[in-house]
Amino acid sequence: DSGVTQTPKHLITATGQRVTLRCSPRSGDLSVYWYQQSLDQGLQFLIQYYNGEERAKGNILERFSAQQFPDLHSELNLSSLELGDSALYFCASSVEGSTDTQYFGPGTRLTVL
Amino acid sequence: DAKTTQPPSMDCAEGRAANLPCNHSTISGNEYVYWYRQIHSQGPQYIIHGLKNNETNEMASLIITEDRKSSTLILPHATLRDTAVYYCIVSGYGGATNKLIFGTGTLLAVQP
Repeated sequence: DSGVTQTPKHLITATGQRVTLRCSPRSGDLSVYWYQQSLDQGLQFLIQYYNGEERAKGNILERFSAQQFPDLHSELNLSSLELGDSALYFCASSVEGSTDTQYFGPGTRLTVL
Repeated sequence: DAKTTQPPSMDCAEGRAANLPCNHSTISGNEYVYWYRQIHSQGPQYIIHGLKNNETNEMASLIITEDRKSSTLILPHATLRDTAVYYCIVSGYGGATNKLIFGTGTLLAVQP
């Protein structure tokens, strides 16, 4: 158990819908990362937050957005969902976000029908 | 694009050492070598990381060549539970972010 929690574990929804994935970092960690793992693209970095501020952005679609709240939990919002958004979404956290090790949560499996 | 090259798959007998190679010929002086593994569809699990020197922890050993262009992860006594995809990643030190760029990894199959 890494100490990073993600909810829900599974999510099934329809095309065009909007969903929110939630992540709680390890106690004391200020930085949160989101990654997407699909069958054809592998594990891809989406976005990183540090203490509420966006720090780095990867291949995140404009339909996707994220934020980190004052209590340091983070949410990833996915809208206008398409079949190709079906994937595993992982959250990771680290203490300070530039030199230290990331620890991953168990993931949320999103299925878009 | 990933900065590392790994064999797509390897086999290892249970109880034997598993040696997983990784090439990172374009690594720069401030980049660490990280190893993670992913068992089935679980979240990636941190194993070990290093800069120049060899490193050892309770899970594995990491051997980095003197020129830092390649490394080997060693699982000293592989068990069936070590069957997983192993990712070798280089990640910057001292930059604004330590985001991880994953490649395709090595699928290690531990055989009974």
